[in-house]
Parts: sequence; C-alpha cells; structure tokens
Amino acid sequence: AIQMTQSPSSLSASVGDRVTITCRASQGIRNEIGWYQQKPGKAPKLLIYAASTVQSGVPSRFSGSGSGTDFTLTISSLQPEDFATYYCLQDYNNPRTFGQGTKVEIK
Amino acid sequence: EVQLVESGGGLVQPGGSLRLSCAASGFTFNTFEMNWVRQAPGKGLEWLSYISTTGTTIYSADSVKGRFTISRDNTRNSLYLQMNSLSVEDTAVYYCARVAGYDALDFWGQGTMVTVSS
Repeated sequence: AIQMTQSPSSLSASVGDRVTITCRASQGIRNEIGWYQQKPGKAPKLLIYAASTVQSGVPSRFSGSGSGTDFTLTISSLQPEDFATYYCLQDYNNPRTFGQGTKVEIK
Repeated sequence: EVQLVESGGGLVQPGGSLRLSCAASGFTFNTFEMNWVRQAPGKGLEWLSYISTTGTTIYSADSVKGRFTISRDNTRNSLYLQMNSLSVEDTAVYYCARVAGYDALDFWGQGTMVTVSS
C-alpha cells in the first residue's frame, strides 16, 4: 500500500499567518491527492482535490500544489475558523491511504 | 441536498458482529462509488473499504479484510458494512463517504459510533 507521510503532526499559528502542510507519498501518485479539514466531533470536509483544485464553496485562501510524490496544502492567511485537523488522502489506487493528520492550533 | 446518514452503531462484545447502514438521498445513488472510513477515539482517519456503482468491485484495507464486508442495495439507496469478529481495536466512529467524479470523497455522513467492549 502507498504510504502517505504528512508533516508536521501539529503546529501553532496566529490569525493571519501563512500555514503550509506537506504530504509525501511512498511512490508517485501523479496528482491524485485530496486534502480534508476536520473539526472536533464533525465529519471531514473536502477542501482540495486533484492536488490543486479547490472544492466549490471553499475559501480561496486554501490552495494545493504538487505532483508525483510531494504535495502541499497552504492556507494563505489563517482565520479563526481554520483551526482544525487536516488530512491528505491519496486517490491513486486502492487501498487508499490517509496521512497521519496535522492539527493546527492557536498560538 | 445530498445527505448520507449512518446508523447501526452501538455497543458490542469482542467477537461479536454488527451491520452498519448508510442511507443516501439527494443524488442518484447508483451512479456513485462509495467508501467506508473510520476514526478511533483521538486518532486519525483510516480508509476501510470501497465499492463500485454496481457492487461488483470491492476493495478493503488489510486491517479488516476477511472480517468486514461492504455491500450496497441500489434499490434502497443504501450502503452497508457487515462487521464480524469485532475486537476492541475496531472501536471507532464509522463514516460513509461518496466518491466524486474526480475520485475525492466529496460528501460524508455524520458518522456512527461503534464500541467494542466486554
């Protein structure tokens, strides 16, 4: 199975900060990765698909990049509602695999 | 409005069985592939299983292969997860999720809690 290594596992940031989260795949997955946001007690929400396409309704401060094995989720200016845990998920093949998650906390 | 509503969770003893359901509405269920994903308390997301639109193609994670079976009934707009030989490590919130045309999981249910304990 493809392993997705996500980093960092947690970070502290302030409102207005630029935040970057990375995922590295154990083999090439073209651009077949999605990014999800999860708040406590809630289901995950799709933010980005196909590495860089922002899901409808998601604020433009969220962006994704990368291809092959290295991928990045960027929040350009962190807002109070963005404090959550973020996961990557490879869609390249089955079994699908998630990254370990990144918890974004308030500094 | 797209809705996915899981049910069937609860408390079960180790070695027991449980069948989860996911009722779909607001979209043409038989044209979408579906998945199950779980999350143990305080842990990350774990992908469990995939089923094609017709149910003829299925994939499962090694952690549940041979114990959990995904299925669907397109006439009832429902997805299922039959879970057998449950262990305490299967304690988690279980989510069903729809696969979008671009393969991402675009809609999720609210989850149903399964607790395996004696």
